[in-house]
Amino acid sequence: AQSVTQPDIHITVSEGASLELRCNYSYGATPYLFWYVQSPGQGLQLLLKYFSGDTLVQGIKGFEAEFKRSQSSFNLRKPSVHWSDAAEYFCAVGAGTASKLTFGTGTRLQVTL
Amino acid sequence: EAQVTQNPRYLITVTGKKLTVTCSQNMNHEYMSWYRQDPGLGLRQIYYSMNVEVTDKGDVPEGYKVSRKEKRNFPLILESPSPNQTSLYFCASRIGGGTYGYTFGSGTRLTVV
Repeated sequence: AQSVTQPDIHITVSEGASLELRCNYSYGATPYLFWYVQSPGQGLQLLLKYFSGDTLVQGIKGFEAEFKRSQSSFNLRKPSVHWSDAAEYFCAVGAGTASKLTFGTGTRLQVTL
Repeated sequence: EAQVTQNPRYLITVTGKKLTVTCSQNMNHEYMSWYRQDPGLGLRQIYYSMNVEVTDKGDVPEGYKVSRKEKRNFPLILESPSPNQTSLYFCASRIGGGTYGYTFGSGTRLTVV
């Protein structure tokens, strides 16, 4: 069965600092990987996705993520965080054409000014 | 505007009183899914549908029913709600094929007293 681990429940960074959110997955074959962001009181918005090809993927809002098969990781990064990035971030893994997405428990990002 | 619409946004009900949360998408998506979000548990899939009249259980289907009579609608039915179904519920849809991420609705916060 597929699973996702986000080891950091809560992260605080200063505005302008760099950010890395960790995600480790468990899946037997090549996974489909996603990062979503949830602002307070909102639904989830897709930031980026990986399913094949270049292991460094670019997303919206200046985010990127790198797929590392050897480490079973798909960490999310941003070079310079803005106060508006404060939100909860979810990593998810999907299995091919299956409709199921398995989510991690999320990382809440706080940005200090 | 392409979107997934859930109603109601907020609902307080009493134990045992049947309720339906509606979900509609205007993107002609084949796949639709219901998730519940609980603190510390992330999002867990309740039911999903791959097309009209095709539905299947997710990870936490107990106490819920769904139907998919039309492509655009995927209502979630709680026949006899209980307090442990108090949660934030999200409907989501996507095109068939695993390379596409889900588009999420804004959520329905349900409280069962």
